[in-house]
Amino acid sequence: GAGVSQSPSNKVTEKGKDVELRCDPISGHTALYWYRQSLGQGLEFLIYFQGNSAPDKSGLPSDRFSAERTGGSVSTLTIQRTQQEDSAVYLCASSSPAGGPEQFFGPGTRLTVL
Amino acid sequence: TQLLEQSPQFLSIQEGENLTVYCNSSSVFSSLQWYRQEPGEGPVLLVTVVTGGEVKKLKRLTFQFGDARKDSSLHITAAQPGDTGLYLCAGGTSGTYKYIFGTGTRLKVLA
Repeated sequence: GAGVSQSPSNKVTEKGKDVELRCDPISGHTALYWYRQSLGQGLEFLIYFQGNSAPDKSGLPSDRFSAERTGGSVSTLTIQRTQQEDSAVYLCASSSPAGGPEQFFGPGTRLTVL
Repeated sequence: TQLLEQSPQFLSIQEGENLTVYCNSSSVFSSLQWYRQEPGEGPVLLVTVVTGGEVKKLKRLTFQFGDARKDSSLHITAAQPGDTGLYLCAGGTSGTYKYIFGTGTRLKVLA
């Protein structure tokens, strides 16, 4: 696609349920990032993928959070046993080493945990 | 821990006024990016600065990277309602993939 896409755009879930968020990066971009943004604040780094591997998972808030990337393309962020404090906008970005440091962001998934 | 503090946090001004947004850290960064984010969308890159003291201009926007590469500023001349949005700075360190994002400045320009 022309840009980074994320689905769903909005997700409302009940506390304790699992959710899966999807990111489809720009074709050919080897690097993929997940961030969390609360209430229009700055971005909190969650995890980075280079290809299918994640050399840095240190930003994941707890072991309820996990992410994977397959085929060097699509990535999914899974939150198990959701809590109300997980409510936020989850943003995905991709970049290409050949293209320099610019990250191209998707529109985000707004997660609301009731 | 690297932190980027932005000031002011909120800014509401009239169309035609000038403004400056600051991005400060105690850490040195090899590059500094500025993004603008509009409601319901992801951030969009405005500029990347990499050299201490560097100044870049993008129409009415002027970006400066501090000499010590610890701080940056964004100056907007004659602000317009279309400049409304959340401005984010992000610092990068050479040899790493990780960018540290600032706390954000929410700008509203009134017509």
